[in-house]
Amino acid sequence: NAGVMQNPRHLVRRRGQEARLRCSPMKGHSHVYWYRQLPEEGLKFMVYLQKENIIDESGMPKERFSAEFPKEGPSILRIQQVVRGDSAAYFCASSPNRENYGYTFGSGTRLTVV
Amino acid sequence: QQQVKQSPQSLIVQKGGISIINCAYENTAFDYFPWYQQFPGKGPALLIAIRPDVSEKKEGRFTISFNKSAKQFSLHIMDSQPGDSATYFCAASMYNDYKLSFGAGTTVTVRA
Repeated sequence: NAGVMQNPRHLVRRRGQEARLRCSPMKGHSHVYWYRQLPEEGLKFMVYLQKENIIDESGMPKERFSAEFPKEGPSILRIQQVVRGDSAAYFCASSPNRENYGYTFGSGTRLTVV
Repeated sequence: QQQVKQSPQSLIVQKGGISIINCAYENTAFDYFPWYQQFPGKGPALLIAIRPDVSEKKEGRFTISFNKSAKQFSLHIMDSQPGDSATYFCAASMYNDYKLSFGAGTTVTVRA
């Protein structure tokens, strides 16, 4: 049973480009959570999604960031017109129900904006 | 604002020694306190967790101590081993909630 799969592992983008981060939850998990980890900081909640629904996006920056979890395929975190401050590690977690103690985190995507 | 404050930022301990990491929280509604271990290039993995109805929980060499009145909790790693070298994060949430508030992390280095 594969864990939470995130790709790419590393992503380099120039300022102004778009970044697309993908997350495939564990088999049987229908709840997905995205967290961002800035250098020297802990993880910060961004968004919680179920299939085809955004449940809570209170941690998402108001502009340039969006997330989706379609009926088929992985969850996508999309960052448009990236800036240097978007450089961070982005982690996805999944769970079988709406709770945090069943979380399994992926290995993350390290985004570097140059 | 940081809802969970963690210290120290880093620590070095000799093999066989005790590593102690402290966390403090503000939100009295928090009632679930997990600790995560993260190795370089990997995602955080749940290590041990406690709820405030007990003051201490032990799993192998890892112990959480919890002080509800002081709103503090700590992780003790007994008989530290080089394989314990990692970054440790405390976190807190309301039980059955999906959202975790993390501390800033402590990088532990165990010297052989």
